[in-house]
Amino acid sequence: KNEVEQSPQNLTAQEGEFITINCSYSVGISALHWLQQHPGGGIVSLFMLSSGKKKHGRLIATINIQEKHSSLHITASHPRDSAVYICAVIAFGGSEKLVFGKGTKLTVNP
Amino acid sequence: DTAVSQTPKYLVTQMGNDKSIKCEQNLGHDTMYWYKQDSKKFLKIMFSYNNKELIINETVPNRFSPKSPDKAHLNLHINSLELGDSAVYFCASSQDNRRYTDTQYFGPGTRLTVL
Repeated sequence: KNEVEQSPQNLTAQEGEFITINCSYSVGISALHWLQQHPGGGIVSLFMLSSGKKKHGRLIATINIQEKHSSLHITASHPRDSAVYICAVIAFGGSEKLVFGKGTKLTVNP
Repeated sequence: DTAVSQTPKYLVTQMGNDKSIKCEQNLGHDTMYWYKQDSKKFLKIMFSYNNKELIINETVPNRFSPKSPDKAHLNLHINSLELGDSAVYFCASSQDNRRYTDTQYFGPGTRLTVL
């Protein structure tokens, strides 16, 4: 079992829908990243958070350290949001380690 | 102006060959990274350099050797290429030298195919 699990693996939505992508992890962490990988392959860093909530435009990321869970929300989704969303945690343990989830593929249809 | 650039974009080569992938960043960042994304799209960090010094070397075969001539460049040299090395390799950089906690900026990736 991977130390970082994302759900769902695949998600199809209609334009305008509210989207939630989940990330659960089984290790102690200092922080968590959300990344977006476009269909063309390019990767963009969306958020880095260690507590609470961050918002950027239509994207909101939350983290609950006690429950070892983070969510990425997209409000008023648009076809251009179609991408793979990847969660990565900065795990404790001797030296810090960056551990990635397998990603959630989001398709937003017009 | 491309912030993090990689060359080549595609690389097709035979098993056993030696090849290099170049990475340059013009952001003035101190830290650079190499990642491997396998056929299942799973990302894994390989190396991290801070100001030309190796910080992190995850469990990567010693056929892979990063070289950092200056803090704006981190090249990846691979000896004796194997089929399992086929993947997309991403370079990234970040400003802060505290590992992983700063925003990383990714290059466009290099798709390596070993035949």
